[in-house]
Amino acid sequence: NAGVTQTPKFRVLKTGQSMTLLCAQDMNHEYMYWYRQDPGMGLRLIHYSVGEGTTAKGEVPDGYNVSRLKKQNFLLGLESAAPSQTSVYFCASRTGTHTNTEAFFGQGTRLTVV
Amino acid sequence: AQTVTQSQPEMSVQEAETVTLSCTYDTSENNYYLFWYKQPPSRQMILVIRQEAYKQQNATENRFSVNFQKAAKSFSLKISDSQLGDTAMYFCAARQGGSEKLVFGKGTKLTVNP
Repeated sequence: NAGVTQTPKFRVLKTGQSMTLLCAQDMNHEYMYWYRQDPGMGLRLIHYSVGEGTTAKGEVPDGYNVSRLKKQNFLLGLESAAPSQTSVYFCASRTGTHTNTEAFFGQGTRLTVV
Repeated sequence: AQTVTQSQPEMSVQEAETVTLSCTYDTSENNYYLFWYKQPPSRQMILVIRQEAYKQQNATENRFSVNFQKAAKSFSLKISDSQLGDTAMYFCAARQGGSEKLVFGKGTKLTVNP
């Protein structure tokens, strides 16, 4: 059972380059999330989706875009990477069947912008 | 806005002893959910324990238990018989009922010493 899979695991970008992080889940979950984790800051929500074709802004959405064209995939895009976007990015998903359900996380993507 | 505060950036404990990690939260809702996640060096986020605000009984999962003080908005995690494998970052998180946003604290780095 793969759960939540993030691609790639590591990436180094130059300032101004673009890239897309892919999150795929095989649990048929309705809700998906993108977080960033920075030292001393915990996890901060970037964007989230409550279903296919819908997205919403989280706590720190600036500089990122997302798309949820298929229920199982949630893409996070950086159009013009900046050093401030150096971080570890986590994708998570959750079923909406019950309100107390936990979020399942991918293993993270370490992104460095130089 | 919902906030989660972990006041202990780092803690250490001797193997087989008991340690308590603190967490306080702020919410205006009566219906909400609280979680403790563990992040070992592998970076994988793992759910340790959850608590529904409407339940008065403290949640317990094997060696892990919580002390949920609703009036004080406190949600501490107690780890009994600490093991070397408990060494990790621990994050407290909260989600208001009806909201999809899972808000995290900044984390507590726990080291279990042999």
